[in-house]
Amino acid sequence: QKEVEQDPGPLSVPEGAIVSLNCTYSNSAFQYFMWYRQYSRKGPELLMYTYSSGNKEDGRFTAQVDKSSKYISLFIRDSQPSDSATYLCAISGGYQKVTFGIGTKLQVIP
Amino acid sequence: EPEVTQTPSHQVTQMGQEVILRCVPISNHLYFYWYRQILGQKVEFLVSFYNNEISEKSEIFDDQFSVERPDGSNFTLKIRSTKLEDSAMYFCASSETIYEQYFGPGTRLTVT
Repeated sequence: QKEVEQDPGPLSVPEGAIVSLNCTYSNSAFQYFMWYRQYSRKGPELLMYTYSSGNKEDGRFTAQVDKSSKYISLFIRDSQPSDSATYLCAISGGYQKVTFGIGTKLQVIP
Repeated sequence: EPEVTQTPSHQVTQMGQEVILRCVPISNHLYFYWYRQILGQKVEFLVSFYNNEISEKSEIFDDQFSVERPDGSNFTLKIRSTKLEDSAMYFCASSETIYEQYFGPGTRLTVT
């Protein structure tokens, strides 16, 4: 069983749509949950991180963690063409190694 | 806004040659990392470095790899004898805490 599973997409949505991106993980020892955005041939850019179960909001982005079902989500409201990128979920057990999902490629169509 | 920088942006080398990839982490950060991403695959952890020593490494980080912080600002990854399968994007990251890691733009390594 993979440590982190993420649907690679691609996911195409019209501008203004609400986007839902998800990951599951296998190891309940993971404690820190992050979302990165990666544009083509660029480095991952940290969007949000959270420690606990529940929701964390930052502008149009909401990260949600459900530790009981080992499920993490990122919601993007009012999606824009500039949101088109690959979104990587990432998790850590509190040590320094971060384990990434494969990334979901998102395209927001004007 | 401070950022992680990496040089070169693209390195082409022949199989068996040594390469050194360079990174300048964000200045007040204490933790440094190298990751790699083979084309079409996930970002993979290689090594973390704290207090002038390796604190964690993956099974990928074998004896062909080494890291160094030669001065107060640079952080390097050396691959002693490159193989074709080392072709990938290599990302340096740094953090002030262990979970808020900031990545550089990457070095694309092509081994021919």
